[in-house]
Amino acid sequence: KQEVTQIPAALSVPEGENLVLNCSFTDSAIYNLQWFRQDPGKGLTSLLLIQSSQREQTSGRLNASLDKSSGRSTLYIAASQPGDSATYLCAVILGNYQLIWGAGTKLIIKP
Amino acid sequence: EAGVTQFPSHSVIEKGQTVTLRCDPISGHDNLYWYRRVMGKEIKFLLHFVKESKQDESGMPNNRFLAERTGGTYSTLKVQPAELEDSGVYFCASSQDLGLHTGELFFGEGSRLTVL
Repeated sequence: KQEVTQIPAALSVPEGENLVLNCSFTDSAIYNLQWFRQDPGKGLTSLLLIQSSQREQTSGRLNASLDKSSGRSTLYIAASQPGDSATYLCAVILGNYQLIWGAGTKLIIKP
Repeated sequence: EAGVTQFPSHSVIEKGQTVTLRCDPISGHDNLYWYRRVMGKEIKFLLHFVKESKQDESGMPNNRFLAERTGGTYSTLKVQPAELEDSGVYFCASSQDLGLHTGELFFGEGSRLTVL
């Protein structure tokens, strides 16, 4: 049974710091992995999609990596800003289009 | 281009009543999904439509939940009768079918359901 774990559950850092959010999954048989952010009272915004054949994806200050063999993905945020404060969720996408979600990391960037 | 839209954004009903949630996917997206997040728990898959057909409904919790996608456009999720444990946020997502499961999922803002 696929399980997705995100560590840490919460993180508070000063503005400007680089940071890494971690996501681990128990079964390497995944198609894709997708990172999302959720702002309070808002929906889920897709950040990066990594296909199973890829090792990383970059978008602006965000970089996501995927290591299927070890069951890990990281989301790297460079030069953090207060607007980055949100809950970050990773989800693995299985062959039947089901997403298995992590519980999320609540990120607070202090001005 | 409009994103995935959901209605209502928030619904408050009493136990035993009926609620219908609606999702309009991105135009041209054949795949439509429903998920929900109940209080304090992770987001869970409910079901997946490909056009008007239910591809996978293994996540539907019980027969009080009925999802439809007539004509393969918008979808509705009806809860009848609603129970307290149905409270949560119901998310809809859509994706193009690009083959090899490479389609990125786009989510709506969710419909918050509160059952009193």
